[in-house]
Amino acid sequence: GENVEQHPSTLSVQEGDSAVIKCTYSDSASNYFPWYKQELGKRPQLIIDIRSNVGEKKDQRIAVTLNKTAKHFSLHITETQPEDSAVYFCAAATGGGNKLTFGTGTQLKVEL
Amino acid sequence: NAGVTQTPKFQVLKTGQSMTLQCAQDMNHEYMSWYRQDPGMGLRLIHYSVGAGITDQGEVPNGYNVSRSTTEDFPLRLLSAAPSQTSVYFCASSFLQGIGELFFGEGSRLTVL
Repeated sequence: GENVEQHPSTLSVQEGDSAVIKCTYSDSASNYFPWYKQELGKRPQLIIDIRSNVGEKKDQRIAVTLNKTAKHFSLHITETQPEDSAVYFCAAATGGGNKLTFGTGTQLKVEL
Repeated sequence: NAGVTQTPKFQVLKTGQSMTLQCAQDMNHEYMSWYRQDPGMGLRLIHYSVGAGITDQGEVPNGYNVSRSTTEDFPLRLLSAAPSQTSVYFCASSFLQGIGELFFGEGSRLTVL
């Protein structure tokens, strides 16, 4: 089955700096790559996603890049703010899109 | 719209007991799924359904049963609880078959003693 690896497991940045989280996947048939944010004690929520026919997608301070050849994708957060502190999960969809495999998560801490 | 509703929010079981986690959505989503979340392991897919009467296994299905008799409901059954099933369980639904935003419930924290 699909295997998604996510790095780093923890990331601490100063407010205003950029943060980058990287993921790799194993199944070349995966075609959908979402990112979820989970605040402490809350449910995961989608923040951005990208499909395999697109190399980059941006939404205000958040961007995702996809390299299909290398089978890796990354989340970029610019001008980080304290409210960006949370756990971020990458994921890859296989099985015709019915099976979403998540990475193990990155705890992002934005310090004042 | 209530979205995805899970009950109960907290449950303590003894080893060998059975229970059902309830999940209901009011968004007319065809796709529904159950995940478990354990520290350091992310979210792992237990079972999923692409419509009423259709279910399939995910990554960690052992010890769990599901059924989908209506579009709205997707209960998860633990037949004989084990301490290894101590976890936070999330139900999620999507309009598209997995390729689209997953809407999660608030989660159910289960402890098996």
